[in-house]
Amino acid sequence: TQLLEQSPQFLSIQEGENLTVYCNSSSVFSSLQWYRQEPGEGPVLLVTVVTGGEVKKLKRLTFQFGDARKDSSLHITAAQPGDTGLYLCAGASNFGNEKLTFGTGTRLTIIP
Amino acid sequence: NAGVMQNPRHLVRRRGQEARLRCSPMKGHSHVYWYRQLPEEGLKFMVYLQKENIIDESGMPKERFSAEFPKEGPSILRIQQVVRGDSAAYFCASSEDYNNEQFFGPGTRLTVL
Repeated sequence: TQLLEQSPQFLSIQEGENLTVYCNSSSVFSSLQWYRQEPGEGPVLLVTVVTGGEVKKLKRLTFQFGDARKDSSLHITAAQPGDTGLYLCAGASNFGNEKLTFGTGTRLTIIP
Repeated sequence: NAGVMQNPRHLVRRRGQEARLRCSPMKGHSHVYWYRQLPEEGLKFMVYLQKENIIDESGMPKERFSAEFPKEGPSILRIQQVVRGDSAAYFCASSEDYNNEQFFGPGTRLTVL
């Protein structure tokens, strides 16, 4: 069974600070996706990383896929209250994208 | 282009009743996935369907749960004889092909009294 552990589980920081969220597994994934989920809504796709070592930037968010494709990180620069939400990583197996394994989630709160 | 649509958004059932959850994928998407999110837990894969075919149902409970994606109309997740433990948020996602990104609907929140 593939497992994705996210850390920290909860994070509360002041507006303007930087933060990093980690997503780790002992399994290799063919791709990894990051989602953000608001209360009462479905996950919204932020980014997909495919190649080991790949780095993608989305405004103040930087996503990195580990060289061995077993882990990923999300770094947010100068956090804003609008960044508050539940961040989920999800991995697709080597056998295709049909079954996503979701991480345990990081609940982020940015304090104005 | 409308996103993935799910209805109802909220569903209340008494123990023993049936629950039917519907999902309309994004336009042009023929692959549908169902996930369940139990309170305070992460999303867990349930079933993957293409039009008229169940491709992977390895995450579906063996009893009471079934899913279909007919040639015409939405995908349906059906739960018979619901129990309190079925209370959860059920999310549907769709993709254009099996190896493409999955886009999620807003979910159906099922409460079993």
